[in-house]
Amino acid sequence: AQSVAQPEDQVNVAEGNPLTVKCTYSVSGNPYLFWYVQYPNRGLQFLLKYITGDNLVKGSYGFEAEFNKSQTSFHLKKPSALVSDSALYFCAVRPPSYGQNFVFGPGTRLSVLP
Amino acid sequence: DTAVSQTPKYLVTQMGNDKSIKCEQNLGHDTMYWYKQDSKKFLKIMFSYNNKELIINETVPNRFSPKSPDKAHLNLHINSLELGDSAVYFCASSTGQGAQYFGPGTRLTVT
Repeated sequence: AQSVAQPEDQVNVAEGNPLTVKCTYSVSGNPYLFWYVQYPNRGLQFLLKYITGDNLVKGSYGFEAEFNKSQTSFHLKKPSALVSDSALYFCAVRPPSYGQNFVFGPGTRLSVLP
Repeated sequence: DTAVSQTPKYLVTQMGNDKSIKCEQNLGHDTMYWYKQDSKKFLKIMFSYNNKELIINETVPNRFSPKSPDKAHLNLHINSLELGDSAVYFCASSTGQGAQYFGPGTRLTVT
């Protein structure tokens, strides 16, 4: 079965420190990988994606993610966290056998403390 | 503005009623989706439509029926609402290798 894991329900980081939100996946083939952010009472917003090429992809708001094929991971990172980054983050994969359909992780709540 | 829009934003209704949620996208995408987000924030895909054809239905009760009059619209009709249907429902769209773009959500409360 296709699945996405985000092993941490909650990540706390001090403002100005680097942050990492972890994501691992279990799918067959070479999936497309995505990160989304959800602010309170809002829809999900696309941050970045990996299709092919360089393992480090850059996205919106200074976020980047590193694809590691051997570890089947796609961790979200930011060098210096802002209080405004506090939100719910979702990792998603689009398995090649799923056509246009996506599998979402359970979400990780990021709190950046001033 | 190019976007995915949903109406209504809030919907409060009683058990047993029938209600609809509308979704429209003007992004030119060929696939549209409905997701349910529960109180623990888990996202569950309910339906996706590609070029007006249903291509997935993740064991959703048949009280839920998607209706797509054209590529830009995917409405969700719910019959005989139950307490457990209370959730936030999100519409989304995508195309090709692109990401999904989500609407703002409809918070459904069944009393």
